[in-house]
Amino acid sequence: DVKVTQSSRYLVKRTGEKVFLECVQDMDHENMFWYRQDPGLGLRLIYFSYDVKMKEKGDIPEGYSVSREKKERFSLILESASTNQTSMYLCASSLPSPRDKGGWTQYFGPGTRLLVL
Amino acid sequence: ELKVEQNPLFLSMQEGKNYTIYCNYSTTSDRLYWYRQDPGKSLESLFVLLSNGAVKQEGRLMASLDTKARLSTLHITAAVHDLSATYFCAVDPLFGNEKLTFGTGTRLTIIP
Repeated sequence: DVKVTQSSRYLVKRTGEKVFLECVQDMDHENMFWYRQDPGLGLRLIYFSYDVKMKEKGDIPEGYSVSREKKERFSLILESASTNQTSMYLCASSLPSPRDKGGWTQYFGPGTRLLVL
Repeated sequence: ELKVEQNPLFLSMQEGKNYTIYCNYSTTSDRLYWYRQDPGKSLESLFVLLSNGAVKQEGRLMASLDTKARLSTLHITAAVHDLSATYFCAVDPLFGNEKLTFGTGTRLTIIP
């Protein structure tokens, strides 16, 4: 069964702290993604990675960085947490899929609800 | 910039009724996805639509894609309470690189 896990379900941090959110997938997927979800805004892509040590900025990368040292693990780092980063963070993974091979599905983890005080 | 709009944002409907959720997007695409999210839970894949005219059905849910109109619909037939959830559509642009852009979601509440 497909599995994406995230290190914490709930996290409370203080402004200025460095925060690490971990995501692990056991499906040998090349692609991994980090989103944040806020009411009324849907899901917004922060960063994604096509392969180990490769990363690309999504739509809202400011204030975040990522690390992918192993294929199964993708970490999101808040260098200096701020209150406007209070949100639900969702990790996802997928296989790469050339357009002539059909579509693909992103599999999501359970999410980490982060509160920055 | 790709925009994906869903409507309605909130939908309250009685059990047994039919309704449709709409997903409009602003760029050329031949891949559209529907996801479901239960309160406090993560997203679960429902449908993958890969071509113009594609139609997929699962139980009381049916999704379709019209790439010319840049429109996908999610139709609910004879709603039951356990369909209450938030539904998201997501678009993969034709010349994109496997990044999805999500709609804002439709929160569906089925009233007994």
